[in-house]
Amino acid sequence: DAGITQSPRHKVTETGTPVTLRCHQTENHRYMYWYRQDPGHGLRLIHYSYGVKDTDKGEVSDGYSVSRSKTEDFLLTLESATSSQTSVYFCAIRNSRDNYGYTFGSGTRLTVV
Amino acid sequence: AQSVTQLGSHVSVSEGALVLLRCNYSSSVPPYLFWYVQYPNQGLQLLLKYTSAATLVKGINGFEAEFKKSETSFHLTKPSAHMSDAAEYFCAVSLANNNDMRFGAGTRLTVKP
Repeated sequence: DAGITQSPRHKVTETGTPVTLRCHQTENHRYMYWYRQDPGHGLRLIHYSYGVKDTDKGEVSDGYSVSRSKTEDFLLTLESATSSQTSVYFCAIRNSRDNYGYTFGSGTRLTVV
Repeated sequence: AQSVTQLGSHVSVSEGALVLLRCNYSSSVPPYLFWYVQYPNQGLQLLLKYTSAATLVKGINGFEAEFKKSETSFHLTKPSAHMSDAAEYFCAVSLANNNDMRFGAGTRLTVKP
């Protein structure tokens, strides 16, 4: 188990407010990812990180920013939440001991009203 | 970019029957292919992976998948379904650098008693 913790597990927020989701890992894995899951779309990559302060955009990065100031924490920020960002957000790590598979957190269900 | 298509958003089988979940991929270079399973209110769990070694891959819980380059397919099978197999299954593809894993839309498997 890669020891991935996402917080919060559930959040309801109003349109236009900033929201930050946190992903915390305990095993010093280098690569971390943020995905969103929506019905009919599977999972889509938002941003990923390949080290402290090293991040890159994914397939659906508009409206999102990320930061990684410590190896163990990868933050996803919605600067001004919109209803289209209502989704389930998953953090994942690439397991250093198993270079080809990802391990996922339990997810954050975000509702923007 | 690489992509996968899962044929059938819902599959229903009887307990003890064969499970067949279909996945076709598109990639300009040899891909890595994965199947993940998601139980309700949980993250995704890796079932099995193909990384250019044996074309028949065995995973957890009795599942297996066969990489067929000529058909660009990576279908998931299990000889005998169990009630506990009811879940959503995702096929995914990535390339060697593994920083952009693309997921299919998912197939929800229902197992009838």
